[in-house]
Amino acid sequence: EDQVTQSPEALRLQEGESSSLNCSYTVSGLRGLFWYRQDPGKGPEFLFTLYSAGEEKEKERLKATLTKKESFLHITAPKPEDSATYLCAVQALGDYKLSFGAGTTVTVRA
Amino acid sequence: DVKVTQSSRYLVKRTGEKVFLECVQDMDHENMFWYRQDPGLGLRLIYFSYDVKMKEKGDIPEGYSVSREKKERFSLILESASTNQTSMYLCASSFGVTQYFGPGTRLLVL
Repeated sequence: EDQVTQSPEALRLQEGESSSLNCSYTVSGLRGLFWYRQDPGKGPEFLFTLYSAGEEKEKERLKATLTKKESFLHITAPKPEDSATYLCAVQALGDYKLSFGAGTTVTVRA
Repeated sequence: DVKVTQSSRYLVKRTGEKVFLECVQDMDHENMFWYRQDPGLGLRLIYFSYDVKMKEKGDIPEGYSVSREKKERFSLILESASTNQTSMYLCASSFGVTQYFGPGTRLLVL
């Protein structure tokens, strides 16, 4: 069974204090690894899809990287508007469904 | 921009009522999904559909059914609502691997 573990559960940052979120996964064969951002009471907002080890993607202050066992979401010089829960999910080859981690809740203080 | 809409943001129902949750996507996506999200349990797949009139059970289909009569619309049906179905319900759609989520429906069953 596919497993996704995210750490830490919660992260409190000062504005401008860069940090990284971890997503460890086990999957029989990786079709894709996904990062989403979720604000309270809203649906997850798509950020990145990563397909193979060594791949990196960037969007504004966020950068996602992928190895064979884990993915990192780096937040560079965060702002208060980056406060959200960040979800990691994997999809196995030949499968439709996403297996989600529990998420990391990031709070950025001004 | 992908747009996935859900019929209600908030819904309050009584135990035993039949409940319909509707989801519409405007991107001609083949695949549509229903998840529920609960604190401590994360997102779990209820049902998905890979074509009109085609459906497959996810991880937690008990107590739910679905209908997909048109490509753009995917309905989740709670045949007889129970209090343990109080949750946030999220619809998603995809063409390739990446799933795009709607805003969610928060359902309270009294």
